[in-house]
Parts: sequence; structure tokens; C-alpha cells
Amino acid sequence: DAKTTQPTSMDCAEGRAANLPCNHSTISGNEYVYWYRQIHSQGPQYIIHGLKNNETNEMASLIITEDRKSSTLILPHATLRDTAVYYCIVRVSSNTGKLIFGQGTTLQVKP
Amino acid sequence: DVKVTQSSRYLVKRTGEKVFLECVQDMDHENMFWYRQDPGLGLRLIYFSYDVKMKEKGDIPEGYSVSREKKERFSLILESASTNQTSMYLCASTSGGARKNIQYFGAGTRLSVL
Repeated sequence: DAKTTQPTSMDCAEGRAANLPCNHSTISGNEYVYWYRQIHSQGPQYIIHGLKNNETNEMASLIITEDRKSSTLILPHATLRDTAVYYCIVRVSSNTGKLIFGQGTTLQVKP
Repeated sequence: DVKVTQSSRYLVKRTGEKVFLECVQDMDHENMFWYRQDPGLGLRLIYFSYDVKMKEKGDIPEGYSVSREKKERFSLILESASTNQTSMYLCASTSGGARKNIQYFGAGTRLSVL
């Protein structure tokens, strides 16, 4: 059970902001929200994570709602190289440490 | 930047061959993982290791073994490759402590068993 719901696919124009939503209504109080992406035929790449405050790094911003039931990953100026599958993850196995990936959102950045 | 290097991007092997997939990380991470990724099935954990010479089975260990003789290297071994082991294999590593759930992945090895 991935515990997250994401749209299957999204399009974004090159140079515009890409806003990727994620619902995690059953998130526990101590569970973080992690975002990864996977470009075709490559390994997943860590982007950002947060608990309850908004976070920003060189790749993206993460906005988490006050009730923590949903979040949005923002790529401020999408490029063609941002075309990938984006995964929102809140569940990590306490026994193994494995990340539990859902189906993710396929983001297509178009020229 | 953390670097996780997998020895091969593409491999083609024959049924029954012994196959070694190597993974090296350069950040002194304690924990290392082997996943396989198949269409429609997502990422599935094969084995993980939280220290040198320590290993634990993941969800699908059958047909695989692992070796971790040095902290930076985690090897996945297919004792006798079969066609149902054709897959994308991903290695990951993570540090302990507060960032223990941030996994860094290698580029993957796409293995075809004929």
C-alpha cells in the first residue's frame, strides 16, 4: 500500500512552472514526504523531502498543506530534461528501510 | 554529490550462467539495497545490507544472493540465471541517522537472460 495518490500524467510547457500534486490523507504524524523522479532507463533520483514545513532546494520546492494530507512538488522553470516519472513517497518500511513507490506521475515537458 | 556506480548498464546472459552485478558507493553509507524494477510491478526489494558482512532478505530473495565484504561495495549474485530474472536491477545506498530514508540510486543494470 503506497498510501499516496498522484495523477497518472501531466504536461507542462518548457520554461513554465510544473506543479505536481500528491494526496496522502492517511499520513502519520512522524512520516515524511519524499519526492523522487525517474528519467527513462535511469535509476530514481532523490529530489526533496519534508515533514510539515515548506522546503526548497536547488531542484524544487515542496509545499505541504497544514493538515499534511497533501503536498505539491514545484519545478519552477521546467526544462525538457525534467521529463520523467515523479514519485511521491510517504511510506518507508521500518524493518528494511525500503521505499514504497506508488505509480507516480509521468510529467511530459513540451517545447 | 553522492555517487552510486553500477558496473554495467546492459548485460546479456544465458540461462544457467552465474551473474555478478556490482555496486559501489563513495559516501561511506552504512546501508545498501538491491531492487529489481519490472513494468507494472514497481520496485521490489531483493536484499539489503546495513553493515559489512551483514545481509537481510527483502521481499523477493529467491534465486539471488549478495555479498558485502567492504563497506562501499554490495554485489548481487544470480547463482543460475533464469529468463524470469530478466529485469532492470537498481542498487541504492543510504546513510544512517536523520537522512536514513534518503536513498541514492545507481543508473541501473538492464539484464537480459536468454
